[in-house]
Amino acid sequence: EVQLVESGKGLVQPGRSLKLSCAASGFTFSNSYMAWVRQAPKKGLEWVATISTSGLTTYYPDSLRGRFIISRDNAESSLYLQMSSLKAEDTATYYCVRHGLRINFDYWGQGVMVTVSS
Amino acid sequence: DIQITQSPASLSASLGETVSIECLASEGISTDLAWYQQKSGKSPQLLIYSASSLQDGVPSRFSGSGSGTRYSLKISGMQPEDEGDYFCQQSYKYPLTFGSGTKLELK
Repeated sequence: EVQLVESGKGLVQPGRSLKLSCAASGFTFSNSYMAWVRQAPKKGLEWVATISTSGLTTYYPDSLRGRFIISRDNAESSLYLQMSSLKAEDTATYYCVRHGLRINFDYWGQGVMVTVSS
Repeated sequence: DIQITQSPASLSASLGETVSIECLASEGISTDLAWYQQKSGKSPQLLIYSASSLQDGVPSRFSGSGSGTRYSLKISGMQPEDEGDYFCQQSYKYPLTFGSGTKLELK
């Protein structure tokens, strides 16, 4: 059974940094592209970042490039999201997701809530 | 960036009614479109990929169709467990983008 378990939730002040982690199991992690998707309260879904199997290639929307960094440790079957210079509008539930064969998102974690507030 | 216009924003359906939700892409996306269902308080789940392929385990009353810029999700016979939010997503090119969502309720 595929499992994606996020951690690192919390309340953080504007301008500070936060690192999210995701522990993957139930599939060959090193063979899968992985991503983060977020959802602000009562809002829609927003793709945050994608990383290739090796970790050498990453993708971001222009709006987040430079502030967010996605990384992975295939030996540990773990995915990370380093977020810096956080803003109130980054407040959201962050989902760890596995990419399917057609760059869709076929498995989702339960999500981790990040609140950016003073 | 590819913009996805999803409609309607909300709808209410009776038990057994057939429901349709549409997504219009700002450019052709070559059937690289997925549909997700999100029940209240839960994570989204993949329903349909490549516009019309049913994800394993998804009931056959769900179907997808479309080409070019226009795509639709159909639920043939609304069930109580189908209540929730539905999102489409284009996987044609980066940045990956989602529709704004449709809230489906049982009348």
